[in-house]
Amino acid sequence: AQSVAQPEDQVNVAEGNPLTVKCTYSVSGNPYLFWYVQYPNRGLQFLLKYITGDNLVKGSYGFEAEFNKSQTSFHLKKPSALVSDSALYFCAVKYNAGNNRKLIWGLGTSLAVNP
Amino acid sequence: NAGVTQTPKFQVLKTGQSMTLQCAQDMNHNSMYWYRQDPGMGLRLIYYSASEGTTDKGEVPNGYNVSRLNKREFSLRLESAAPSQTSVYFCASKPGDGVETQYFGPGTRLLVL
Repeated sequence: AQSVAQPEDQVNVAEGNPLTVKCTYSVSGNPYLFWYVQYPNRGLQFLLKYITGDNLVKGSYGFEAEFNKSQTSFHLKKPSALVSDSALYFCAVKYNAGNNRKLIWGLGTSLAVNP
Repeated sequence: NAGVTQTPKFQVLKTGQSMTLQCAQDMNHNSMYWYRQDPGMGLRLIYYSASEGTTDKGEVPNGYNVSRLNKREFSLRLESAAPSQTSVYFCASKPGDGVETQYFGPGTRLLVL
């Protein structure tokens, strides 16, 4: 079955430290990979995506993610966390499903950046 | 641009009541989506509309109907609300095929008693 996993429900990091939010997937074919962020009581906002090309993708607010095909991962990273980065982060994967492409979502990881 | 707007922001219903959640986008996007978000379940697609005049079922369509009224508007209707439909509902849109980024509305919190 096609799936996307965010193995950590919550990640805690001190302000100024690097952060990583993990995402792994199991889909057929060549996936499109996405990260979205959700601040409290708001809709999701797009952060970055990998479609093709350079495995390292840079996105909004200083975030980046690396597509690792051998490990089927697309971890979100930031060199220096801010308290304002505290939010819910969702990984999503789009894959070939017959004649269509289907998008599936991870369950989300709550990031808490402590001052 | 207002982006994607949703009304109402919050609604309380009694079991068996009906209501329509409204969504509109002013970005001239072709595709629109309705999701529900529940704790521990992530985002689940209810219905989508790939283009004006078309609608298709998503992962959890039971108990819902949709109408793509025009290119801008995509409404979600609950004909007979059930407590299991208590959730936060998000509308999203994207330009169309080949552009993968979705733009989300602020959500509607629905409580069914």
